[in-house]
Amino acid sequence: GQQLNQSPQSMFIQEGEDVSMNCTSSSIFNTWLWYKQDPGEGPVLLIALYKAGELTSNGRLTAQFGITRKDSFLNISASIPSDVGIYFCAGSLNDYKLSFGAGTTVTVRA
Amino acid sequence: NAGVMQNPRHLVRRRGQEARLRCSPMKGHSHVYWYRQLPEEGLKFMVYLQKENIIDESGMPKERFSAEFPKEGPSILRIQQVVRGDSAAYFCASSPEATDTQYFGPGTRLTVL
Repeated sequence: GQQLNQSPQSMFIQEGEDVSMNCTSSSIFNTWLWYKQDPGEGPVLLIALYKAGELTSNGRLTAQFGITRKDSFLNISASIPSDVGIYFCAGSLNDYKLSFGAGTTVTVRA
Repeated sequence: NAGVMQNPRHLVRRRGQEARLRCSPMKGHSHVYWYRQLPEEGLKFMVYLQKENIIDESGMPKERFSAEFPKEGPSILRIQQVVRGDSAAYFCASSPEATDTQYFGPGTRLTVL
């Protein structure tokens, strides 16, 4: 399957900070998706992107579908404690088979 | 509207036993997908089913693993003669049509002793 590289692997946030993470692929995708997973739970869809260059927001979250169709980024503005969790990017070339990155773990800085 | 339901949430099996994982899709969804997640890794696609049909099982090991989605009742992922390497979280997702916009259940965490 497609190889997705997600970075950073982990990050520490302080409340109020802006957070940025990205995902790159060895091949193109037609759809990029961003999920958040809390411990012991399943992934929850945050944002879906369907067109190269598309920039989409969902509250404090903003994501972009890269022009090359091989990358995407997710920004979280003014982070709050409940933003901690694991964020996964996923790409799809056909209509249903998702390829996931390894995740970015977001933790609150003590 | 209830989300995707999976049971059991946790399952412990000894090597050689069978594991049966159940998934009830969201109401109105007839497309089901199973993914496996190893510790500290992303989810890996296993199989895609519609009612009574396996559409794509390219991600599922050819031996010991099988999946079904009968006309009535939940989708079942069955693992026969489990080995330690089968220990993982297994997630089911559903959608109303064949699409990449999938809604995930809470997962079943399988531990093989």
